[in-house]
Amino acid sequence: DIVLSQSPDSLSVSLGERATINCKSSQSLFYRSNNKNYLAWYQQKPGQPPRLLIYWASTRESGVPDRFSGSESGTDFTLTISSLQAEDVAVYYCQQYFSTPWTFGQGTKVEIK
Amino acid sequence: QVQLVQSGAEVKKPGASVKVSCKASGYIFSNYGISWVRQAPGQGLEWLGWISGYNDNTYYSQKFPGRVTMTTDTSTTTVYMELGSLTSDDTAMYYCARGLNSVYTDSSGFYSPFDFWGQGTLVTVSS
Repeated sequence: DIVLSQSPDSLSVSLGERATINCKSSQSLFYRSNNKNYLAWYQQKPGQPPRLLIYWASTRESGVPDRFSGSESGTDFTLTISSLQAEDVAVYYCQQYFSTPWTFGQGTKVEIK
Repeated sequence: QVQLVQSGAEVKKPGASVKVSCKASGYIFSNYGISWVRQAPGQGLEWLGWISGYNDNTYYSQKFPGRVTMTTDTSTTTVYMELGSLTSDDTAMYYCARGLNSVYTDSSGFYSPFDFWGQGTLVTVSS
């Protein structure tokens, strides 16, 4: 199984500041035929199901604020919140859909400092 | 608007089975597949498997050998997930989630992240 390791486990950021979450994959998620990385990011608030933020590593889902962005470098993936808002307090997960079983990172909890 | 509405909470004894439903609306049911994902209390997310809304093709995670079965009822646009031989380790919130890519993509929609989620069904396994 592909292992996704997120860092840090938790993050405390001041309002308006940048938050950066990393996700390292145990193997490549890149498919040469379509030039895409099969990696998604989700936000989960307490008592709610996850919400899709980013897919193909860097494509923002419709309706997601543009302060959320995704990037990749080889098997390292990053979710950036450019200016943290109070409503961004949540747990964030990365997920790969390159090789079954689909797997998720362990989650990163983002709080306000 | 796309909605996935799941059945209510369940309490089961060890060794029993549970069947959870997920009624889809707001989109063409046969154009997309549905996955099931679970989350144990205070824990992360775990994928159980996928079923096509087009032809009932399934793919199950090998972590649940012979224990999980997914079916559809196209007349009611409902997907079902049955998990058998329950143990306390199966206590979790179970979510259905729609695949982002339609079945008309190269991979028949299988290689997809999840764009819409049900509200979750809490399954508690306790003697």
